[in-house]
Amino acid sequence: DTAVSQTPKYLVTQMGNDKSIKCEQNLGHDTMYWYKQDSKKFLKIMFSYNNKELIINETVPNRFSPKSPDKAHLNLHINSLELGDSAVYFCASSPWERATNEKLFFGSGTQLSVL
Amino acid sequence: SQELEQSPQSLIVQEGKNLTINCTSSKTLYGLYWYKQKYGEGLIFLMMLQKGGEEKSHEKITAKLDEKKQQSSLHITASQPSHAGIYLCGALSHWAGTSYGKLTFGQGTILTVHP
Repeated sequence: DTAVSQTPKYLVTQMGNDKSIKCEQNLGHDTMYWYKQDSKKFLKIMFSYNNKELIINETVPNRFSPKSPDKAHLNLHINSLELGDSAVYFCASSPWERATNEKLFFGSGTQLSVL
Repeated sequence: SQELEQSPQSLIVQEGKNLTINCTSSKTLYGLYWYKQKYGEGLIFLMMLQKGGEEKSHEKITAKLDEKKQQSSLHITASQPSHAGIYLCGALSHWAGTSYGKLTFGQGTILTVHP
């Protein structure tokens, strides 16, 4: 079974549309993240949630709204999509609230293309 | 905030050659992670280093953390086409004095191995 799964893998949409990316982890972790990887492959943290509560918001525009219905799910909703939102979005989870010698588990990414 | 700089940004080698990727931090590293990303896929955990002077190996890949814990190197011996991908170093830090961790990445090194 996939530890961190996100859907869809590819998302092509028009500017101005609203879209969502879903993420689920079956590792029992309390902390989940969204990262954005730009065209230059730079991977930047966007949000962190711990047990359904927002912990980190790295100055992401409020068009991006993460939602965590339970600690195993962290979805990302994007309103009024812009060309600059085109990127690969990665979901991740970690057990760091319990032990800091653990690793971050990543999903396989969602390639978002805004036309 | 912690900044990581990787060098080189890209590397092209012939199969069988050795290579080294460096990761330098602006602050003392609490935990340093190395991940590999294959094109179009998610991030694969390679190694995690915490102690100054620590060195870990996995198959033909060796990672070291210097004594001052501000620089790490990733060395690949006898490179193979399967080693091709993007290598990312990540620094673990805690958010705003909490116990919640976040991983901040360098800009990545794109490795191409020609057969």
